[in-house]
Amino acid sequence: DAKTTQPTSMDCAEGRAANLPCNHSTISGNEYVYWYRQIHSQGPQYIIHGLKNNETNEMASLIITEDRKSSTLILPHATLRDTAVYYCIVRLDSGNTPLVFGKGTRLSVIA
Amino acid sequence: EPEVTQTPSHQVTQMGQEVILHCVPISNHLYFYWYRQILGQKVEFLVSFYNNEISEKSEIFDDQFSVERPDGSNFTLKIRSTKLEDSAMYFCASRLGLSNQPQHFGDGTRLSIL
Repeated sequence: DAKTTQPTSMDCAEGRAANLPCNHSTISGNEYVYWYRQIHSQGPQYIIHGLKNNETNEMASLIITEDRKSSTLILPHATLRDTAVYYCIVRLDSGNTPLVFGKGTRLSVIA
Repeated sequence: EPEVTQTPSHQVTQMGQEVILHCVPISNHLYFYWYRQILGQKVEFLVSFYNNEISEKSEIFDDQFSVERPDGSNFTLKIRSTKLEDSAMYFCASRLGLSNQPQHFGDGTRLSIL
């Protein structure tokens, strides 16, 4: 089972920042937080991941709390194309450990 | 940007028939995976593959399933005798293999069993 808890759905106005929360209170010290998204029925798309420091790339920012029990994915300027299901996944960085997907958050970006 | 390629995009097969799904992982990646997603449900792990052998498999991956890397570029999933409940999207993923690298997914094959 997924080790994360996410809201079922969220709305965001186009052009505004989308902040997607994730709880992972049982995360262990060597587990990373990964974010993926799935647009319609396409394959999951990697967004960003981190261990304990905040991370930023061209797609998003990841804010991880100091105790690592929760994180927030930030899409700084949401567009209609960001409408998707967003998955927060905790994964041990070891060999072939698979990704365990939960139900994710369905983000709807509204014009 | 390199990507994982899956073919066909849609496969329709009669129940009981064998089906092979094809994947071309990103060229320098070393770890390979298959996942599936039944319509309306979560993405589920099937199997991981490294160094020409299965590393991990889920309970879903029973004797009806097999994987193969027949050459240096392809990674296939075979279902020997398909069942109605095998209807799903099947996603292939690959990973570079260095520590802390993400898996990258293809756009999937929609398998429909009649």
